[in-house]
Amino acid sequence: DQQVKQNSPSLSVQEGRISILNCDYTNSMFDYFLWYKKYPAEGPTFLISISSIKDKNEDGRFTVFLNKSAKHLSLHIVPSQPGDSAVYFCAASMVSGNTPLVFGKGTRLSVIA
Amino acid sequence: EPEVTQTPSHQVTQMGQEVILRCVPISNHLYFYWYRQILGQKVEFLVSFYNNEISEKSEIFDDQFSVERPDGSNFTLKIRSTKLEDSAMYFCASSSSLARGYTFGSGTRLTVV
Repeated sequence: DQQVKQNSPSLSVQEGRISILNCDYTNSMFDYFLWYKKYPAEGPTFLISISSIKDKNEDGRFTVFLNKSAKHLSLHIVPSQPGDSAVYFCAASMVSGNTPLVFGKGTRLSVIA
Repeated sequence: EPEVTQTPSHQVTQMGQEVILRCVPISNHLYFYWYRQILGQKVEFLVSFYNNEISEKSEIFDDQFSVERPDGSNFTLKIRSTKLEDSAMYFCASSSSLARGYTFGSGTRLTVV
């Protein structure tokens, strides 16, 4: 049972354009969502998070949007840079229930110069 | 910046052998985790550890798996009798509070032959 789904295994974007990575979840009890970035041969690195009480959180070039009614979140990267090329994982948890993070399968982003 | 350290980076073992994967979490973190990622698949939760005991474990974490924090700094994952399907990247993570941004190690690639 995949509670966190990233349906696009890969995405290619031109440098300078917007990258949009999508994530859907099935468990309505999730109340905290995170994005992680992973380079080859490294562990996932925390990027940005959002609580279910918000619908948007911005940090520099990275913005996460949350649509609770659709159980959907997205990560926007503007402008995209070649160094952003990595695998991006969406993760979710129930802070109130103290559960560990549940990860999606990841989306490989390639930013082309 | 504090980091989670995992050793070894790559472990090759024969099927049926025991392996111990080692992790040194960030020193002031209280929550510790093991995740794994089979090639091409999602990052899967194995176990969480808090206050010197397992707080949650997944279906993957059967009797062949165990965790230990033997000396207050190391956090180990033991697989008693490895199977071919245990081949994966194993990531250790730690956090200061549950379900927030975990800090992951670089992973140990376990290859069972």
